[in-house]
Amino acid sequence: AQSVTQPDIHITVSEGASLELRCNYSYGATPYLFWYVQSPGQGLQLLLKYFSGDTLVQGIKGFEAEFKRSQSSFNLRKPSVHWSDAAEYFCAVGEDDKIIFGKGTRLHILP
Amino acid sequence: EPEVTQTPSHQVTQMGQEVILRCVPISNHLYFYWYRQILGQKVEFLVSFYNNEISEKSEIFDDQFSVERPDGSNFTLKIRSTKLEDSAMYFCATSRQGASEKLFFGSGTQLSVL
Repeated sequence: AQSVTQPDIHITVSEGASLELRCNYSYGATPYLFWYVQSPGQGLQLLLKYFSGDTLVQGIKGFEAEFKRSQSSFNLRKPSVHWSDAAEYFCAVGEDDKIIFGKGTRLHILP
Repeated sequence: EPEVTQTPSHQVTQMGQEVILRCVPISNHLYFYWYRQILGQKVEFLVSFYNNEISEKSEIFDDQFSVERPDGSNFTLKIRSTKLEDSAMYFCATSRQGASEKLFFGSGTQLSVL
């Protein structure tokens, strides 16, 4: 079975600082990879996805992620975070007819 | 952006009671999913549903769980005899073309089993 690992449970950055959230996946072939965000009391919203092609993927809200096959990674980045980015971020991988989520990384923003 | 609607937002029930969680999918979506998130834990897949039948289910989705589209619009998750460990946030998700495409998630139903 496929899986994703998010090694950081909590990340704290200052507003305006850059951000990188880590995600590693296990899958033999080229995976379908996703990043979702969950704000408090909300459902999950898709930030971006990777299926094939360009390994640098642009998403909504200024986020991007880079697929690195050699490292089995799909890290999420943002050059300058805003207080409204405080949320839980989930990396996910597609398997058959479902997606499998990682345990999530909670992002805290310092003013 | 179109939305997936879930009702109720909160459900409190006694252990052993039946509950039905409801979801109104986006109108042209054909693939439906239920996920759950126990407090502080990750989002777990329960079941996927396409063409009026279950296409995949996890080991969590045992005989106490069932899904259906009773009227061709609503998509429901029924738990026949709730247990304390069923307490969780339950998310419905829908998609036009399956899990390879964007899943749209509802805001969830918080189920509390007492």
